Amino acid sequence: GAVVSQHPSRVICKSGTSVKIECRSLDFQATTMFWYRQFPKQSLMLMATSNEGSKATYEQGVEKDKFLINHASLTLSTLTVTSAHPEDSSFYICSARPGLAGVTDTQYFGPGTRLTVL
Amino acid sequence: GENVEQHPSTLSVQEGDSAVIKCTYSDSASNYFPWYKQELGKRPQLIIDIRSNVGEKKDQRIAVTLNKTAKHFSLHITETQPEDSAVYFCAASMGQGGKLIFGQGTELSVKP
Repeated sequence: GAVVSQHPSRVICKSGTSVKIECRSLDFQATTMFWYRQFPKQSLMLMATSNEGSKATYEQGVEKDKFLINHASLTLSTLTVTSAHPEDSSFYICSARPGLAGVTDTQYFGPGTRLTVL
Repeated sequence: GENVEQHPSTLSVQEGDSAVIKCTYSDSASNYFPWYKQELGKRPQLIIDIRSNVGEKKDQRIAVTLNKTAKHFSLHITETQPEDSAVYFCAASMGQGGKLIFGQGTELSVKP
């Protein structure tokens, strides 16, 4: 149980285009999903917290107009990288939490999406 | 600020030896501390976690200890095996929403 999928697993795009990444919880409902970015040989950096039906909360330094997050259902959150540039190339990973903080703290991670912007 | 410091950044041990990774956190309100193992290009996998009302937790060869006063927690792996080689991340929950802030990671290498 507690499986999280991401699509696509890899994407290559041209500079200036937009890319959408989907994160799905397959066998549970996720009240909260999180989006992380991981550069090579570095840690996971939290970008934003996404709650179903409400606006995402972005971490300091993350441009909300560039990284659009939508959490329209309890099993799906999407991250859209708008007007992507080479410096946006990274490994984007989502996680999903089945319940509220303090009740169910465990986060289950998706397999990640490797974004390469040419 | 919200910060988790992790040491060492790299750790090399002989098969069968123990490995210890240490983390400190900044937010005294943090109450959940998971450890993740990540292999190259793969997703982080939860290996053990501990809540703030517990001082120690063990699962076979893996144990975690927590010192709330010092805001310090550690991962202990005994009888290491080559398949334990990976990058290990500690994390601490922060804020009302329980977001996780990750440490910098430790690259563990277990030599046969």
